[in-house]
Parts: sequence; C-alpha cells; structure tokens
Amino acid sequence: DTEVTQTPKHLVMGMTNKKSLKCEQHMGHRAMYWYKQKAKKPPELMFVYSYEKLSINESVPSRFSPECPNSSLLNLHLHALQPEDSALYLCASSPGDKDRMNEKLFFGSGTQLSVL
Amino acid sequence: AQTVTQSQPEMSVQEAETVTLSCTYDTSESDYYLFWYKQPPSRQMILVIRQEAYKQQNATENRFSVNFQKAAKSFSLKISDSQLGDAAMYFCAYRSGWAIKAAGNKLTFGGGTRVLVKP
Repeated sequence: DTEVTQTPKHLVMGMTNKKSLKCEQHMGHRAMYWYKQKAKKPPELMFVYSYEKLSINESVPSRFSPECPNSSLLNLHLHALQPEDSALYLCASSPGDKDRMNEKLFFGSGTQLSVL
Repeated sequence: AQTVTQSQPEMSVQEAETVTLSCTYDTSESDYYLFWYKQPPSRQMILVIRQEAYKQQNATENRFSVNFQKAAKSFSLKISDSQLGDAAMYFCAYRSGWAIKAAGNKLTFGGGTRVLVKP
C-alpha cells in the first residue's frame, strides 16, 4: 500500500462550523504534513509532524488545529474559518528517516474546501 | 530564504515531441535537493524526478531528464516522447540539505508550469 488517503474529497462549510479533515497512510511513515494550495498556486506548508510530534508550524492561524493520534493518522480540525481559507488541503507523508536527506514525499489527492 | 522561479506559466507540446520546462532557484546553501513534481487533474502531487546538488550527473527517469546547472542555479526538466498522460501542472521544488529534523523536509515550490499535450 503506497497510498495516502484523504477524506472527505470535498467539503463545504459555513464560517461558524467545526469540521475535520482526515489523512491516513499505512506505509509505516513517521513524518506527516499538511499543505494548503490555493487555485493556480503552489502548495504551502502548514504543519509537519515527525514521530507524532509537531516539529514545524508555519505560523498558521489558530483556527487550524492539527492532531496526530498515531503514526498512521493525521487530522486537521477546522473552526471559525474565513472564506479566504477556501483551498485544496493536501496531506503528505515520508519515511521520516533522519539520516536520509532526500526522502520522497507521498501526497494524497487532497480535500477541496469551500468556506461560505 | 530560498526562492524557486518557474518563468513559463504554460507550455504546449505535440504528442511524441519533446518539451523543456525551466526552473531557476536562489540559495546560499551548497547542499540541497531539487525535485520536479507533477500534479494532474486528480490533484495528487506525484514525484517525477529528483537531483542531489552534490551529484554532477543529471538525473534521468525513463522519458524524464533534468539539466542541472549548479553554477547558474538552473534545473530544467525535459519530457521526451510526450504522452497525453503527461498533461498536468509541473512544480519545481527545493529542499535544504540540512538534516530532516532541522528542516522538516520542507519543500519550497515554484509557481508551476501547466503542460498541455496536443494529440
């Protein structure tokens, strides 16, 4: 299994809603990532989890809250989002081997989020 | 901070022909890694090819090859014998050579080049 699975594929939510995006991988990877991609733009890193601990937070607003319950799962909790948060949210994973400098990222197909 | 620039918003190629995508980057580091990712309409980012900066030999993966010019900070991608399935957005990306623990495997992406393949 070389897949990163993201659910749901599409999500529409109001600004007062609370929702969660889910990401799962069964490749034994120990590093997982959330990226945000606006239309016709490259992905931007939001969070990095390494060995289930948050190691990088790119100063993302607190209305985005990541959670890594175990090494296979990564959630992104959403609360009180703004319309400008509408984007494609991509999850990725990598082996997390600290000795390998060029390890490959495996991406999911993303969740297309629309905030009304 | 590192920056990655892709100067071609869109490129069109005839099926079976060759197309070259350009990428330049700016960095003060000597140890780093460069990647080309493909994003088809399915939206999944797929690694096409990667190059270690300390290697002089250009990387090749089947019909995909790169021209890595370290002094010029240039990293172009050549797609040979283009196929309809190559139609996608292509992103050039940079990663620092610092240990993963420090850099978090953070990729800096260029703005992307859309490749259209004409049958």
